[in-house]
Amino acid sequence: DGGITQSPKYLFRKEGQNVTLSCEQNLNHDAMYWYRQDPGQGLRLIYYSQIVNDFQKGDIAEGYSVSREKKESFPLTVTSAQKNPTAFYLCASGRLAGGGNEQFFGPGTRLTVL
Amino acid sequence: RKEVEQDPGPFNVPEGATVAFNCTYSNSASQSFFWYRQDCRKEPKLLMSVYSSGNEDGRFTAQLNRASQYISLLIRDSKLSDSATYLCVVDKGGYNKLIFGAGTRLAVHP
Repeated sequence: DGGITQSPKYLFRKEGQNVTLSCEQNLNHDAMYWYRQDPGQGLRLIYYSQIVNDFQKGDIAEGYSVSREKKESFPLTVTSAQKNPTAFYLCASGRLAGGGNEQFFGPGTRLTVL
Repeated sequence: RKEVEQDPGPFNVPEGATVAFNCTYSNSASQSFFWYRQDCRKEPKLLMSVYSSGNEDGRFTAQLNRASQYISLLIRDSKLSDSATYLCVVDKGGYNKLIFGAGTRLAVHP
């Protein structure tokens, strides 16, 4: 059945390590997004991509990197340059044409830096 | 000023009550408006889109006032299962990006 998957569900990282969060969708959506959510706060946009091999920085891109080699996949790497990476990371996808621009979310990855 | 502002709550209401949430947005160029629901430690899920004429889906009614840049969500006959955080979401006017409010928490008690 169609949807968005993220893995792993929980991730623990030591300071100074890079980690990569996976996001896959089989909804045939053109656009994919990465958000970060901290307790009591709204979602903040990290990176987004509207087409394969192209992506743009969101509001809080520093310390993160992405790639979009396939339409279905949009992995996020949290680098050691990210000062406070402990958060709930959410991936979303959406259509760009033929409807509204609502977004649909994966189940998220909780990253904890030890 | 935040781009999307919501009362954080919590709203504590008994089952069967009617509750209303309000939201204001700052970008007059915004064209798309949504309410999402987020359960504790889960991902947001689309509850309903909000149209200029207002729209209803069962117990839920959403309204938009473009002149005042104001969106509302009314929940009638609250159920225990309605307990969640409700996120007001607005597009960034001409961009395929959404701006999420911090959410309003609802707790429905027996």
